[in-house]
Amino acid sequence: EVQLVESGGGLVQPGRSLRLSCTTSGFSFGDYALNWVRQAPGKGLEWVGFIRSKGYGGTTEYAASVKGRFTISRDDSKSIAYLQMNSLKSEDTAVYYCTSCSGGSCYAEHFRHWGQGTLVTVSA
Amino acid sequence: NFMLTQPHFLSESPGKTVTISCTRSSGSIATNYVQWYQQRPGSSPTTVIYEDKQRPSGVPDRFSGSIDSSSNSASLTISGLKTEDEAVYYCQSYDDTSQVFGGGTRLTVL
Repeated sequence: EVQLVESGGGLVQPGRSLRLSCTTSGFSFGDYALNWVRQAPGKGLEWVGFIRSKGYGGTTEYAASVKGRFTISRDDSKSIAYLQMNSLKSEDTAVYYCTSCSGGSCYAEHFRHWGQGTLVTVSA
Repeated sequence: NFMLTQPHFLSESPGKTVTISCTRSSGSIATNYVQWYQQRPGSSPTTVIYEDKQRPSGVPDRFSGSIDSSSNSASLTISGLKTEDEAVYYCQSYDDTSQVFGGGTRLTVL
């Protein structure tokens, strides 16, 4: 059974940092691109960024709203993806989902598996 | 970059058919695949349609997808509506470096 489990969410003050983890099992993690998608309370889905598989260079792409503040990385030996969030703002408050693409590039692919999400609240 | 626009709300009766549209703001809808995700209250999204019209295993054939180049839009059609279909539906597409979600359509089945 494929599982993606996000952790690391919580309450953080504006301007501070937080690192989320996405621990996976049940599939060949290294072969797939991983996305982070967020959902502000009562709002729709917003793509945050993704990391390609090593086979596609392991490179990253980010939404304009988080570029320069957020960094996605992966540890294929542990089947874990990370989202490092710096200089957090109140508008970053959301449930953060980890999702796997159906291939290694996330181009012409879909978000096949989703985690249950972890809530990040940015507030003083 | 481009945007995907969906109606905010739709409502239909059980047993009927509903179609949710997703209009691309720039560039051709046919250039990049469109996916559809269902999100029930309190749950994570799940894929109901990928690559414009493909259904993942386990998704009933009441769900179908299509694209229309003349209106530059994609559509999700759900036939034989059931109360369990009540959810928010999101379309999604991509370009070379980004993924884009529509704003979501809240479907009420009553």
